[in-house]
Amino acid sequence: NAGVTQTPKFQVLKTGQSMTLQCAQDMNHEYMSWYRQDPGMGLRLIHYSVGAGITDQGEVPNGYNVSRSTTEDFPLRLLSAAPSQTSVYFCASSSGLRNTIYFGEGSWLTVV
Amino acid sequence: RKEVEQDPGPFNVPEGATVAFNCTYSNSASQSFFWYRQDCRKEPKLLMSVYSSGNEDGRFTAQLNRASQYISLLIRDSKLSDSATYLCVVTGGGADGLTFGKGTHLIIQP
Repeated sequence: NAGVTQTPKFQVLKTGQSMTLQCAQDMNHEYMSWYRQDPGMGLRLIHYSVGAGITDQGEVPNGYNVSRSTTEDFPLRLLSAAPSQTSVYFCASSSGLRNTIYFGEGSWLTVV
Repeated sequence: RKEVEQDPGPFNVPEGATVAFNCTYSNSASQSFFWYRQDCRKEPKLLMSVYSSGNEDGRFTAQLNRASQYISLLIRDSKLSDSATYLCVVTGGGADGLTFGKGTHLIIQP
């Protein structure tokens, strides 16, 4: 029972590089989202999707792109990495906002 | 006023004690409430939902006070393994209709 799978778990990037954080869920959830978590800031919503082909911005979308071509996958792209994007990133999925939210194990990203 | 507020702590509590903390929310239209637990360097996981009538699961009790707009979490007979950050989650508000509190850090001491 895989749940929500995120890769990579750890990544170091140089300023200006781009990369994609992968997220996949096998629970047939319509709702998926990406959060970043920084000390003292809590979880902040980056982008979310309520179904395949539908994405929308969260609280802190600048510098990130997402796409939702399938129900299972919701990759997060960093277009040109900046040190301010050093953070822990969590992907999440749910069958609805009133239901349990399942998180991936997190991706630790350092931008130098 | 922030949408969801929690005392960040840390709450330092001796093993076996009872500890309680609250989470206040600003959106009176919020319908669903949850407590999540997050261990250090791990992902958040659902601890329990909070129902209007209250909810008890073993040593954990969650309650909702709509009049004063807060939810509470009570932990009885605390264990070392209860050490974690407890996140309050409320529907309503936020870009996607879901708002997370920043969490309360609990440390159970032997």
